This record gives sequence, C-alpha cells and structure tokens, in this order.
Amino acid sequence: GAVVSQHPSWVICKSGTSVKIECRSLDFQATTMFWYRQFPKQSLMLMATSNEGSKATYEQGVEKDKFLINHASLTLSTLTVTSAHPEDSSFYICSARAVSGGAGYEQYFGPGTRLTVT
Amino acid sequence: GENVEQHPSTLSVQEGDSAVIKCTYSDSASNYFPWYKQELGKRPQLIIDIRSNVGEKKDQRIAVTLNKTAKHFSLHITETQPEDSAVYFCAAGSGYSTLTFGKGTMLLVSP
Repeated sequence: GAVVSQHPSWVICKSGTSVKIECRSLDFQATTMFWYRQFPKQSLMLMATSNEGSKATYEQGVEKDKFLINHASLTLSTLTVTSAHPEDSSFYICSARAVSGGAGYEQYFGPGTRLTVT
Repeated sequence: GENVEQHPSTLSVQEGDSAVIKCTYSDSASNYFPWYKQELGKRPQLIIDIRSNVGEKKDQRIAVTLNKTAKHFSLHITETQPEDSAVYFCAAGSGYSTLTFGKGTMLLVSP
C-alpha cells in the first residue's frame, strides 16, 4: 500500500518550452500533495503544498507563475514548469499524504523526475 | 518556523558496527518525526517514524529515540550491512503541517 507514482521519470526539453510532471497516489486518496526539488547531494527543498480543489501554497522564493501546480483530484497533482531555463534542471519529487487513517501524518514519495533543460 | 539540524553529514562504518545519526529541532509544537532512506537516484523511503507520545521505537535493526525536553531525536542502526549505505534524512512536523527535513547524512558501510 501507499504507492505514489510520478511521470515522466526523466525528461529533456529545450529552453523556453514547458514541461508537465504528474504525481499520482495509486492506492490511497491524498488530500495533500507536496512538490520538492532536490539538487545533487542536497536535501529536499519544499516548493509548494497542493490541496485538492484549492490553490497551491508556495514556499518563499518559489515563483508560482513559473511552477504551476494543479491538484484536480484526490489522486492526481501536476507540476508544470513553464518557460524552462537551464537553471530549472533538477530532480523534482512529489509526495502524498493520506486522507485519514493512522494519524494522517505519513508522507510517501514518488520516484522523482529528472528534468534537464538544454 | 521549524528548523531541523542533522549530524553528521557523512558517516563511515565497518560492516557489523552500529551507526547513529542525530537531529535537533526548534519548534516545540512538532510531534511527528520520520526518518527516510534515499538511495542514489531513487525516492526517499520511510523507514521508521516516532510520535511525541513515545520515547523510543524499534523495528528489527533500526531504532529511533526521542527526547522532547531537549528537542532531539536519533536514528540507531545496529549490525550495519553494505545495503544500509544511503543518504538518511530526518524530518519534523506537527499534525497535518508540512515536514521540515534535515540536510541528510550519507552513510557508507564498508564490507
């Protein structure tokens, strides 16, 4: 149980184009999903918190117009990197938190998406 | 907001030895403390967690201890094996809030 998938696993795009990354909770419903960015040999940097049916909450310094997040259902959240630049190249990981059950604290991570912007 | 400090940044041990990773947190409201293991290029995997109503939790070779007064918690791995080599992250949070992660510890277990 508690499986989170992410698609694509890796993507290469040209500067100026947009890329959409999908995050799905496969066997549970997630009211909240989180999007992280991870640079090599560094920790997870929270970009935004996504709640189903409402606008995402972005962390300070994260451009909401550049990183568009949509949480359309209890099992799907998407991150769109718009007008990508080489500095957006990174490992993007989503995580999902269950609706209820237990204390509702546990977060389960997707496998990540390696984005390379050329 | 919450601030989580994690030490050491790297830890090298011989197979069979024990490994201890320590974290401190700043927000006394935090009451959930998970530990994640991340292998190179893979997702973080939840390996153990502890809530503030207990002081220790054990799962086979892995244990976590929590000292709420001192605001620190530790991960203990006994009888380490080469496959334990990975980056370990601690985190702290409360209720349904976001988790704040430590910077990670790279554990290297030599055969």
